[in-house]
Amino acid sequence: DGGITQSPKYLFRKEGQNVTLSCEQNLNHDAMYWYRQDPGQGLRLIYYSQIVNDFQKGDIAEGYSVSREKKESFPLTVTSAQKNPTAFYLCASSIGLAGAYETQYFGPGTRLLVL
Amino acid sequence: KNEVEQSPQNLTAQEGEFITINCSYSVGISALHWLQQHPGGGIVSLFMLSSGKKKHGRLIATINIQEKHSSLHITASHPRDSAVYICAASPPYNTDKLIFGTGTRLQVFP
Repeated sequence: DGGITQSPKYLFRKEGQNVTLSCEQNLNHDAMYWYRQDPGQGLRLIYYSQIVNDFQKGDIAEGYSVSREKKESFPLTVTSAQKNPTAFYLCASSIGLAGAYETQYFGPGTRLLVL
Repeated sequence: KNEVEQSPQNLTAQEGEFITINCSYSVGISALHWLQQHPGGGIVSLFMLSSGKKKHGRLIATINIQEKHSSLHITASHPRDSAVYICAASPPYNTDKLIFGTGTRLQVFP
């Protein structure tokens, strides 16, 4: 079955620790995205990538880092510089960019909690 | 003021009722998306439209470009329709990104 997988489902972070969220897709999509969702707010874009070895900052990139070494993988690292990391993180992909006439496909999400 | 506003924030209905969720946007758009987020958190894309109306099963999405308004209708609602419905706009000034509304939480009771 084609789709997007995220792991883990739940992740706990200690103070000062970096953690990495996994996102894999087998849809052969070029574009991938990371979003953060907080209660009462719309999804906010953290980073996105249109092609392997290239990525751009979204609206809230501070405290996060990404890599795109393979087309199917787009891991997100939440660094210790992110002071309020508790949120629900969603990964998505699309054939091209989502701006016009592209449907985004979402993974099941990872809930990050700070201990 | 958010560029994409949804109403109502919360909506409850009895099974079988006709439901309307509204989305207004203040920016010009190239496309408007409707998404469904299930209680477990997963999101599914329902519609993408830039004009007129689209229908899929019991779901209908309409858009009025002049009034900068879109609606999502659910006919013969069912408890399994309970979810958060999110609209998102694709602004022409930046085609890399979507602007998301905060969502409408729908609960349908049997």
